[in-house]
Amino acid sequence: SQQGEEDPQALSIQEGENATMNCSYKTSINNLQWYRQNSGRGLVHLILIRSNEREKHSGRLRVTLDTSKKSSSLLITASRAADTASYFCATDAGLGLVFGQGTRLTINP
Amino acid sequence: DAGVIQSPRHEVTEMGQEVTLRCKPISGHNSLFWYRQTMMRGLELLIYFNNNVPIDDSGMPEDRFSAKMPNASFSTLKIQPSEPRDSAVYFCASRDRVAGELFFGEGSRLTVL
Repeated sequence: SQQGEEDPQALSIQEGENATMNCSYKTSINNLQWYRQNSGRGLVHLILIRSNEREKHSGRLRVTLDTSKKSSSLLITASRAADTASYFCATDAGLGLVFGQGTRLTINP
Repeated sequence: DAGVIQSPRHEVTEMGQEVTLRCKPISGHNSLFWYRQTMMRGLELLIYFNNNVPIDDSGMPEDRFSAKMPNASFSTLKIQPSEPRDSAVYFCASRDRVAGELFFGEGSRLTVL
C-alpha cells in the first residue's frame, strides 16, 4: 500500500520557472527520499532527508521535511526541459521503501 | 560498476505460462527489493531480502508469486501460472546499507495475453 501521496499528480510549467511538488505520508519514518523516473526507465535517487533534518539542498534541488505535519516538499529551481520526468517520494520506516503515486512534471521550452 | 541488471527487459507470454524474472544486484549491496509498477496501483513493494534472507513478503500478491535469492549476486521472481492482471513493469533494486538510497534496474516489462 502507498504511504506517500504526491500533490499535484501532474504539473506543467515553462522552462526557467520553479517547480514544487508535495508529499504527505501517514506513519513515523526514519527518512524520506525523492526519486526521479524518466519514461521507460528505472528510478534514480535524487536526495534523502532524515527524520531529524528539516531542509536539505543538492544543486537545484531543495527538500523540506515537516514531521509534525508528516509532509515533505521538493523544489526544483530554474527548471530545464531535461527535468521532464515523474518524481516520487518514498518513505523508509524500517521495512523497505514505500513509494507514492508520483508527480508527472512537464517542462515546456 | 554496471548497476543493477535485470533480465529480460521485455517478456510477452500467454496466460497460464510460467514467468521468471532475474536480477543481479550491485556487488557489495546486502539488501534487494522487488517492486511492481502499474498505472493503476503505482509502485508496489513485493518483497525484500537482507543478506539473502526474505525479510518482508507481505506485498506478494498471492501464492502464484515466489521470490528467491540463492546468493548475494542473484535473485529471481517467479509467477506461475501467469495471468493478464500480472502485466506490469517489475523493478529490482538494491542498496548497501539500512536506510540508504536504492539503486534500481531498468525493469522487466511483462505482458500476459
